[in-house]
Amino acid sequence: GAVVSQHPSRVICKSGTSVKIECRSLDFQATTMFWYRQFPKQSLMLMATSNEGSKATYEQGVEKDKFLINHASLTLSTLTVTSAHPEDSSFYICSARWGRDQPQHFGDGTRLSIL
Amino acid sequence: TQLLEQSPQFLSIQEGENLTVYCNSSSVFSSLQWYRQEPGEGPVLLVTVVTGGEVKKLKRLTFQFGDARKDSSLHITAAQPGDTGLYLCAGTSAGNTPLVFGKGTRLSVIA
Repeated sequence: GAVVSQHPSRVICKSGTSVKIECRSLDFQATTMFWYRQFPKQSLMLMATSNEGSKATYEQGVEKDKFLINHASLTLSTLTVTSAHPEDSSFYICSARWGRDQPQHFGDGTRLSIL
Repeated sequence: TQLLEQSPQFLSIQEGENLTVYCNSSSVFSSLQWYRQEPGEGPVLLVTVVTGGEVKKLKRLTFQFGDARKDSSLHITAAQPGDTGLYLCAGTSAGNTPLVFGKGTRLSVIA
């Protein structure tokens, strides 16, 4: 089945550090990738949608300068949390799909802890 | 904004019991998906339903899409401890729109 790889799986760093998370589709070309944030015991909250070669579309309330998204190729999207602070600590999950009306497949998530 | 109301939010049952999880909306979805998520991992796709009235079975799991494509249900027969996890329904309208997720049902099956 479709596989999405997310790296790293866990990051612990000091406040003020910028953190980059990678999301790769391993066996298909992802025309669209999505980034979600999940708080403990809650559902997934969509942060942004990115299409290859164009700027990401951010959901209301998500700071685009804080969460930089780059979808450089059909198999790679990155999320950079800039100048991270403790309130940015969360579980970040990416997903990808290969076409319109196709199901989304998810990575295993990245647990980000800012000290 | 499309919303998916998922219920119950928490469910704790004994091994061997049956259960049903519901996902309802006032909006029409072109497709609806069910995912299962283990702690510390991403959601894993269980099934996609696209046709009103559609019923799909996956071993002891039965998924149904409402005739009007506004609601769906997941029924588990003879639940086992291995079924424990977070079950998420998610729907999308036609085109390139992202999934809208329900709040999830946290299932605990006790041996």
